[in-house]
Amino acid sequence: ELKVEQNPLFLSMQEGKNYTIYCNYSTTSDRLYWYRQDPGKSLESLFVLLSNGAVKQEGRLMASLDTKARLSTLHITAAVHDLSATYFCAVDISAGNMLTFGGGTRLMVKP
Amino acid sequence: DADVTQTPRNRITKTGKRIMLECSQTKGHDRMYWYRQDPGLGLRLIYYSFDVKDINKGEISDGYSVSRQAQAKFSLSLESAIPNQTALYFCATSPGQGWRETQYFGPGTRLLVL
Repeated sequence: ELKVEQNPLFLSMQEGKNYTIYCNYSTTSDRLYWYRQDPGKSLESLFVLLSNGAVKQEGRLMASLDTKARLSTLHITAAVHDLSATYFCAVDISAGNMLTFGGGTRLMVKP
Repeated sequence: DADVTQTPRNRITKTGKRIMLECSQTKGHDRMYWYRQDPGLGLRLIYYSFDVKDINKGEISDGYSVSRQAQAKFSLSLESAIPNQTALYFCATSPGQGWRETQYFGPGTRLLVL
């Protein structure tokens, strides 16, 4: 059974600081997805990582995938309040695009 | 207009009642999914469908059923609702060759079972 664990579960940080969210998974996969969810809203796709060593960047967010370590990271650079949200990673080990989600990391960026 | 829509957006029902949640999409995707989200937990897959004639159980299908009425429509039913089915329900879609594609989520239906 695939298990996907994120840490931390909750992160409170000051604007301007850097931090990393970790996503560990238990079964070999080279397909990992990051999503953002604002309170009361749906999930928005952030990154799709499809190979070992994949790195994607969008604004202050950068995601990477290490399939050998079964680890993905979401790095936040110089955080701003607008990044406050819950971030989910999801892993696909099937041929059918069936995702197993981590429990989410709730990020709060304080002014 | 939203590409993936869900109705109703909020629903309160009583234990034992049958309810249906509906999902429609205009993205032209073959694959559709139903997820459940509980507070503090990630999303868990209830059912998925790769085309109109293909329905599959997910991780937590007990107590739920689905119907794929057309490529664009995928409904989730709770035959006899119980309080622990209180949750936020999301529909999602992905393209037919979607194993490399992200999923696109609807706005969610908040269900309360009393």
